[in-house]
Amino acid sequence: GAVVSQHPSRVICKSGTSVKIECRSLDFQATTMFWYRQFPKQSLMLMATSNEGSKATYEQGVEKDKFLINHASLTLSTLTVTSAHPEDSSFYICSARAFRTSGAAGDTQYFGPGTRLTVL
Amino acid sequence: AQTVTQSQPEMSVQEAETVTLSCTYDTSESDYYLFWYKQPPSRQMILVIRQEAYKQQNATENRFSVNFQKAAKSFSLKISDSQLGDAAMYFCAYQTSGSRLTFGEGTQLTVNP
Repeated sequence: GAVVSQHPSRVICKSGTSVKIECRSLDFQATTMFWYRQFPKQSLMLMATSNEGSKATYEQGVEKDKFLINHASLTLSTLTVTSAHPEDSSFYICSARAFRTSGAAGDTQYFGPGTRLTVL
Repeated sequence: AQTVTQSQPEMSVQEAETVTLSCTYDTSESDYYLFWYKQPPSRQMILVIRQEAYKQQNATENRFSVNFQKAAKSFSLKISDSQLGDAAMYFCAYQTSGSRLTFGEGTQLTVNP
């Protein structure tokens, strides 16, 4: 149980294009989903927090117009990197936090497998 | 602000031996959660173990156990009978109910055959 999928796992795109990454909780409902960015050999850096049906909360320094987050349901959140540039190349990871009664451990984040974005 | 410190950037252990990874944290809260996550080369973050601060009993999951010392704000992870598949980056993390995770900087564990 408590499986989170993320798609695509890897994407290569040209500079200026937009890329959408999907994050789904497969067997539980998530009150909140999170988006992280991770550079090699570093810890995870939280980009934004999203709750179903409401606007995402972005961390300081994260451009909300560049990283669009939509959380349409209790099992799906998307991150769109708009007009991507080479400096946006990174590893992006989503996580979903379970309801206390959803079957997964409550108040616990379960992570997707990540998306490696390369912008040429 | 809460902080999580992992003082060992790298650790190594012989296969079948036991290793302990250290983690300390700083908080003024009395009720919170502590986690250990594992990130192997695939980079998938995997939940290893979860501890609720109000529980005095240390959490265990098969070969993985913690030594939770609330007064000392310490939360170490013990891996018994280490296996090659345990090689990974291990992150300690803290969270209060409904809040974000605060991660440590990670400890890279190498398992030698």
